[in-house]
Amino acid sequence: KQEVTQIPAALSVPEGENLVLNCSFTDSAIYNLQWFRQDPGKGLTSLLLIQSSQREQTSGRLNASLDKSSGRSTLYIAASQPGDSATYLCAVLGDAGGTSYGKLTFGQGTILTVHP
Amino acid sequence: ETGVTQTPRHLVMGMTNKKSLKCEQHLGHNAMYWYKQSAKKPLELMFVYNFKEQTENNSVPSRFSPECPNSSHLFLHLHTLQPEDSALYLCASSQDEVSHHGYTFGSGTRLTVV
Repeated sequence: KQEVTQIPAALSVPEGENLVLNCSFTDSAIYNLQWFRQDPGKGLTSLLLIQSSQREQTSGRLNASLDKSSGRSTLYIAASQPGDSATYLCAVLGDAGGTSYGKLTFGQGTILTVHP
Repeated sequence: ETGVTQTPRHLVMGMTNKKSLKCEQHLGHNAMYWYKQSAKKPLELMFVYNFKEQTENNSVPSRFSPECPNSSHLFLHLHTLQPEDSALYLCASSQDEVSHHGYTFGSGTRLTVV
């Protein structure tokens, strides 16, 4: 069964810092990996989607990398702002031949607080 | 709005009530999902529908009853719930169950059972 772990569980930084959120998964048979943002009490907003054949994706100040063979992804946020404060969730979609085919498995998230 | 709309946004119900959650998407997606998000737990998959057919029931108690009348609409019927069922219920959709394009989530229904 696929397991997804996100480190750190919580992160507090001053405005302007560059930061890295980490995601690891136990089964490398993944179809793709998706990073989401969740504001308190709200739904999930998709930030970046990386296919298993890709190494990274970028959107504005966000850059996500994927090392499928080692079971790791990182989300890099440049020049953080107070508006970036939210919970960031990593999720992997299982591929054929793996333990979780067709299932989207989530980590527990990293709670990010950016101070003005 | 993400393209997946959930109503109501908030719901308070007693343990003997019957209520329904509604999810609607007009993204042309064929797969729809219900997830439960409780405090300090990862999202838990509850049900999967693909082309209106249920393809996954993740050992969900029968007090939760899903309905998918067409590919654009998904309901979750609730009856005789317990206080521990209080959570954020999220609906999602994707092009297919294994999709290149990722999942799109709604804003959720915050359910409180009293």
